[in-house]
Amino acid sequence: DIQMTQSPSSLSASVGDRVTITCRASQGISNYLAWFQQKPGKAPKSLIYVASSLQSGVPSRFSGSGSGTDFTLTISSLQPEDFATYYCQQYNSYPHTFGQGTKLEIK
Amino acid sequence: EVQMVESGGGLVQPGRSLRLSCAASGFIFDDYAMHWVRQAPGKGLEWVSGISWNSGRIGYADSVKGRFTISRDNAKNSLYLQMSSLSAEDTALYYCAKGYCSGASCSGDYWGQGTLVTVSS
Repeated sequence: DIQMTQSPSSLSASVGDRVTITCRASQGISNYLAWFQQKPGKAPKSLIYVASSLQSGVPSRFSGSGSGTDFTLTISSLQPEDFATYYCQQYNSYPHTFGQGTKLEIK
Repeated sequence: EVQMVESGGGLVQPGRSLRLSCAASGFIFDDYAMHWVRQAPGKGLEWVSGISWNSGRIGYADSVKGRFTISRDNAKNSLYLQMSSLSAEDTALYYCAKGYCSGASCSGDYWGQGTLVTVSS
């Protein structure tokens, strides 16, 4: 199975900061990588698919990049509503696996 | 509006079985893959199972393989998860998610609100 490792596990930042979260796959997954945002008590929300394509309605301050084994999610200017937990997921092959999550907190 | 509504969760004793359902609406159900994803209390997301549009491609997490069975009824716009030999480690909120495409290599783009499964004696 493909293991997904996110870093950091937690992150403190301020409104307006630029933030980057990384995700590494244990083997190549081409660009079959998605990013999700989850707020407490809510279902996950899809942000990005195929590594860099923004889901409809997602603000342009979110961007994704990478291919193969190394990927990043960048938030260009943090907004108050962006404080949440973020997950990456590979779907190149079954079983589709998630990273352990990155909790983004207010500094 | 795309919507998924999960049902069938509840309290079940270890070793017993349970069947989850997901009623989908707002899109052409048989054009898209579907997934089950779970989240244990206070933990991260765990992909459980996925099924392609025509049930031709099915996958499971190692933790549920041989115990859980995913299926879909395209005529009823419904997704199912038959769970057997349940243990405390299966206690979680179970989400149904629509894939963004039809095949096996699709992640979820819309998610339901989940149904809670608690395995306890």
